[in-house]
Amino acid sequence: DIQMTQSPSTLSASVGDRVAITCRASQSITNYLAWYQQKPGKAPNLLIYEASSLDSGVPSRFSGSGSGTEFTLTISSLQPDDFATYYCQQYNSYPWTFGQGTKVEIK
Amino acid sequence: QVQLVQSGAELKKPGASVKVSCKASGYIFIDSYLHWVRQAPGQGLEWMGWINPDSGGTNYAQKFQGRVTMTTDTSISTAYMELSRLRSNDTAVYYCVRDVEVLDFWGQGTLVTVSS
Repeated sequence: DIQMTQSPSTLSASVGDRVAITCRASQSITNYLAWYQQKPGKAPNLLIYEASSLDSGVPSRFSGSGSGTEFTLTISSLQPDDFATYYCQQYNSYPWTFGQGTKVEIK
Repeated sequence: QVQLVQSGAELKKPGASVKVSCKASGYIFIDSYLHWVRQAPGQGLEWMGWINPDSGGTNYAQKFQGRVTMTTDTSISTAYMELSRLRSNDTAVYYCVRDVEVLDFWGQGTLVTVSS
């Protein structure tokens, strides 16, 4: 199975900050990497697919980069609505696997 | 608009089975695979498998092989996930998720609690 490792596990930031979350795969997944945002008590919401493609309706302050084994989700200017938990997920091969999550907290 | 509406919360005893439903609307049901993903309380996301509503073909995570059964009823655009021989660590929210080459739309989740 492909292991997905996110860092950091928790990130404390302020509104307006630029933040970055890293996701590493235990082997190459080319660009088959998605990012999801999850708020408490809600289902995850797709942000980015194919490592860098923004899903429809997702604000442009979100961006994704990377390929192979290392990927980054960047929020260019953190907004109050962005405080949530973020997960990466590989869909290069089965079983599909998720990172453990990164909680973005208010500083 | 796309909707995946899941059945309500369940309380089950260890050893029992649970069957969760997921009714799809707003798109052509047989055009997209449906996956099931679960999330234990305070934990991350775990992929369980998928079903192709068009053919009925399935692909289950090895961890759940022999305990999970995914089915669909195309006449009512509904998918089902049945998990048997439940144990306490199966307590989780179970999500159905549409696959359009990525998991793009999630149901609201169904909490399954396993407790004696």
